[in-house]
Amino acid sequence: AQTVTQSQPEMSVQEAETVTLSCTYDTSESNYYLFWYKQPPSRQMILVIRQEAYKQQNATENRFSVNFQKAAKSFSLKISDSQLGDTAMYFCAFMNHYGGATNKLIFGTGTLLAVQP
Amino acid sequence: EAQVTQNPRYLITVTGKKLTVTCSQNMNHEYMSWYRQDPGLGLRQIYYSMNVEVTDKGDVPEGYKVSRKEKRNFPLILESPSPNQTSLYFCASSSLSSGGSTYFGPGTRLTVT
Repeated sequence: AQTVTQSQPEMSVQEAETVTLSCTYDTSESNYYLFWYKQPPSRQMILVIRQEAYKQQNATENRFSVNFQKAAKSFSLKISDSQLGDTAMYFCAFMNHYGGATNKLIFGTGTLLAVQP
Repeated sequence: EAQVTQNPRYLITVTGKKLTVTCSQNMNHEYMSWYRQDPGLGLRQIYYSMNVEVTDKGDVPEGYKVSRKEKRNFPLILESPSPNQTSLYFCASSSLSSGGSTYFGPGTRLTVT
């Protein structure tokens, strides 16, 4: 069974600085997707960034980028120029690419990020 | 606006009183799922549906029922709620063509006393 591990329950960063959130996963599959979701105090789940396993190039979305290391099964999220609005719980998630199966997301336990003014 | 809606947003009920949480999406997505979020456990899938009249169990289906009579709606039914079902519930939808990108509703905070 696939698992996702986030080993940092809480992190803190100063406004305008850069922070990296860690995520590792375990799978025997070769084709899959990885995601980072943001959950602010409003509790809404917001998709931050998505990576397809067959693509070697790391995904980037504005101030958010990932470091995808397929062999190491590592998928970290880097937030540059941190803003107060980045304060949230961040979840790493995995989805198998079966091309028509459950589209099921497997989540880590989350990292609570606090951006300090 | 493309969205997933859930109702109610907050619900307090008593053990054994049947309840339904509604979910609707306006993106014509084939896949819909229900997840529950508990502290220290992340989100776990309860049930999912791949299309109308096609549903199956996720990782934590005990005590829940679902139905998919229309493509846009996917209600979650608790026939006899118990305190261990106190949780934050999310409905989600995605498309075969969305590359796995999943869209979530705003969440329903359920308390069973």
